[in-house]
Amino acid sequence: GAVVSQHPSRVICKSGTSVKIECRSLDFQATTMFWYRQFPKQSLMLMATSNEGSKATYEQGVEKDKFLINHASLTLSTLTVTSAHPEDSSFYICSLWGGYNEQFFGPGTRLTVL
Amino acid sequence: AQSVTQLGSHVSVSEGALVLLRCNYSSSVPPYLFWYVQYPNQGLQLLLKYTSAATLVKGINGFEAEFKKSETSFHLTKPSAHMSDAAEYFCAVSNTGNQFYFGTGTSLTVIP
Repeated sequence: GAVVSQHPSRVICKSGTSVKIECRSLDFQATTMFWYRQFPKQSLMLMATSNEGSKATYEQGVEKDKFLINHASLTLSTLTVTSAHPEDSSFYICSLWGGYNEQFFGPGTRLTVL
Repeated sequence: AQSVTQLGSHVSVSEGALVLLRCNYSSSVPPYLFWYVQYPNQGLQLLLKYTSAATLVKGINGFEAEFKKSETSFHLTKPSAHMSDAAEYFCAVSNTGNQFYFGTGTSLTVIP
């Protein structure tokens, strides 16, 4: 399967700052990537679908101006959490659609906002 | 619309005992079904998937799951639990492989 990396794996920031999380496909050209967030002891909630070269599609209730997604190439999608607040602290996971009814997930990024 | 329900947010088994994690799905079209495992602070690893081929699906680490359309179930089993199986398990459904819907997860504890 495809190998997906995320950077950074952990980030701690102050409230009000912005944080960028990178999701890279190391061996697969991904036209579609997904961003999920996962609160402690809870399931993954889809935030947005990232399409290469076009605007991301956000799920209901997800603020597009707060969670900026850029998918500028077939191997890189970025999620920027703008003006982060403590309630944004979460585990963010990206995935890519590998075709053949499968998604490949990254290792996740733990964001802590102080 | 698709959804999955995982019965039992916590399951404890003794080492060597049978593991049974339950998943029921709802789908208006023939579904694709998946089981993923997540270790602490890590992403999801695919255990197995059902994509309308054989109803009994064998996955990695000795896990298997059986698709039962009449019961709308896709329960995950393993004959003999190992300490390394302790993790969080997620069932997911998709109708295209593109949009995934995850269950709430089941935390498996293996007792020595």
